[in-house]
Amino acid sequence: ILNVEQSPQSLHVQEGDSTNFTCSFPSSNFYALHWYRWETAKSPEALFVMTLNGDEKKKGRISATLNTKEGYSYLYIKGSQPEDSATYLCAPANAGGTSYGKLTFGQGTILTVHP
Amino acid sequence: NAGVTQTPKFRILKIGQSMTLQCTQDMNHNYMYWYRQDPGMGLKLIYYSVGAGITDKGEVPNGYNVSRSTTEDFPLRLELAAPSQTSVYFCASGHTQYFGPGTRLLVL
Repeated sequence: ILNVEQSPQSLHVQEGDSTNFTCSFPSSNFYALHWYRWETAKSPEALFVMTLNGDEKKKGRISATLNTKEGYSYLYIKGSQPEDSATYLCAPANAGGTSYGKLTFGQGTILTVHP
Repeated sequence: NAGVTQTPKFRILKIGQSMTLQCTQDMNHNYMYWYRQDPGMGLKLIYYSVGAGITDKGEVPNGYNVSRSTTEDFPLRLELAAPSQTSVYFCASGHTQYFGPGTRLLVL
């Protein structure tokens, strides 16, 4: 079981603000880092899968970076909109055997964007 | 593609009853997973499977059993339901992990 920490636990921003949050994970034996977006009463939805140190992924106004050497990833949202309100989960996977398919989810960062 | 489907959507069980939560995917994924979501606890992995005939324990397997006789189906069995198993259960498939809609289970 990996020790995954996400911060902050929750975040309130105004519409139009840009924001970012952090996922920390053990850097040893790293294979991949997944980011998910989870809206209330829905299922988690995959945002990014990142594997290489220095990786940067972008999807619309949301982007993510990865540092595998120090064990962290940042998720950025530019110009937040109320529809971005959700819980954002990160989940690393370790290398080795079938472990690379086995994710350990962080507690998530709950983002609320106020109009 | 229907993706990942789960049945039932909601169920109330009495303590000691048994039931099977169904999960089916039509994306030909080898990997499938079962998670439970408890308030303030995030998603915990119960069991996973890397292919038909192969299953392995996750973080919280006690009280559950799984089988994987086909690529498409990965049912989760509760033999003796306990109040601690009240939760929302999610099935997922694939390395990217596409999630099903969830099953809400209440054990009274």
